[in-house]
Amino acid sequence: DQQVKQNSPSLSVQEGRISILNCDYTNSMFDYFLWYKKYPAEGPTFLISISSIKDKNEDGRFTVFLNKSAKHLSLHIVPSQPGDSAVYFCAASAYEQGGSEKLVFGKGTKLTVNP
Amino acid sequence: GAVVSQHPSRVICKSGTSVKIECRSLDFQATTMFWYRQFPKQSLMLMATSNEGSKATYEQGVEKDKFLINHASLTLSTLTVTSAHPEDSSFYICSASRTSGGLTDTQYFGPGTRLTVL
Repeated sequence: DQQVKQNSPSLSVQEGRISILNCDYTNSMFDYFLWYKKYPAEGPTFLISISSIKDKNEDGRFTVFLNKSAKHLSLHIVPSQPGDSAVYFCAASAYEQGGSEKLVFGKGTKLTVNP
Repeated sequence: GAVVSQHPSRVICKSGTSVKIECRSLDFQATTMFWYRQFPKQSLMLMATSNEGSKATYEQGVEKDKFLINHASLTLSTLTVTSAHPEDSSFYICSASRTSGGLTDTQYFGPGTRLTVL
């Protein structure tokens, strides 16, 4: 049961244009969402996050939008740069009964930004 | 700052042997370390959370006797895959956090270790 889905394994965008990476989730208990970026041979690095009490969070060229009713979030990168080429993971967090925290990752979307 | 290293980066071993993977925070003290596993074309899956000086907390379905975790200091955690079998072949990645607040606190990931069990 994949609770966090990134349905596009890859995305190709021209430099300067907008990149939109999508993520869907099924567990309505998720209340915090994170995006990580991963370059080859390196571990993921935290990029941006959003709490379920918000619908938008912006940090420079990166904006995350959350649509709770649709259980959907998206990461917008504008303008896209060749250095943004990486695998982007969406992750969602919830506290389970008993107080333990759960963090679930999507499979990732490989973004290629062409010069 | 906030560099996390893993050693080895790749390991190939025979079935039945044990393999130890080290995770080090190089320039900060890691109150909490996390161990993940990623099978090909799958998500990162959290295996366990360890706090320095205490026993690791394992996720459901992860055998604690098979995947031994030791977080002996604030800069080092080790994962030992005991009696490894081919189905344990995977990409193991650790992360470290300066805080004990939980999974959504900033995690700094290591580069990962590719384990292949023949």
